[in-house]
Amino acid sequence: DTGVSQNPRHKITKRGQNVTFRCDPISEHNRLYWYRQTLGQGPEFLTYFQNEAQLEKSRLLSDRFSAERPKGSFSTLEIQRTEQGDSAMYLCASSPQGATEAFFGQGTRLTVV
Amino acid sequence: QKEVEQNSGPLSVPEGAIASLNCTYSDRVSQSFFWYRQYSGKSPELIMSIYSNGDKEDGRFTAQLNKASQYVSLLIRDSQPSDSATYLCAGYNTDKLIFGTGTRLQVFP
Repeated sequence: DTGVSQNPRHKITKRGQNVTFRCDPISEHNRLYWYRQTLGQGPEFLTYFQNEAQLEKSRLLSDRFSAERPKGSFSTLEIQRTEQGDSAMYLCASSPQGATEAFFGQGTRLTVV
Repeated sequence: QKEVEQNSGPLSVPEGAIASLNCTYSDRVSQSFFWYRQYSGKSPELIMSIYSNGDKEDGRFTAQLNKASQYVSLLIRDSQPSDSATYLCAGYNTDKLIFGTGTRLQVFP
């Protein structure tokens, strides 16, 4: 499968714990995006990378959230001290150089209890 | 005004009918627009893109862009129950996609 891959697919964690999600983009896609989606809403932009550089972060991304893409390939999104309000689907998407369309992975559904 | 706005629905149409989904956008969104289909519990799937004024057809789907009125629409001909999903409209804003809240489409037999 050469699509965007996200792991894990589901994560249940207790409030206050840290969680980390991984995204492997489509090969040679230099842009990688993280979005968050809650029930009944469209995906909300969190942050994006062009190669290894993090070029934009949403105001939604509090200091408990951090994202990396160390070698310009896969990316990780970490949430520290999780809160119940962090429960959502976390979506990763990638886009090739010069294109505006983005292709999504399967998502990671986070439930904070 | 939100950057991309959609009616949340649900929009209910009988099988075989044309489903018409609409989206409006603000000046903060550029002229590249996309329609994604999202089944319940799944991730968004790109089904149409449109970059210039007018119509673009792909199979049963037609995307329409009207820059003067700042709206985008998606027509689904010969609607099937398998088309029942949420349809997300997205516009391009400074290197990222901005999404509407989505319109839920229900196609009944």
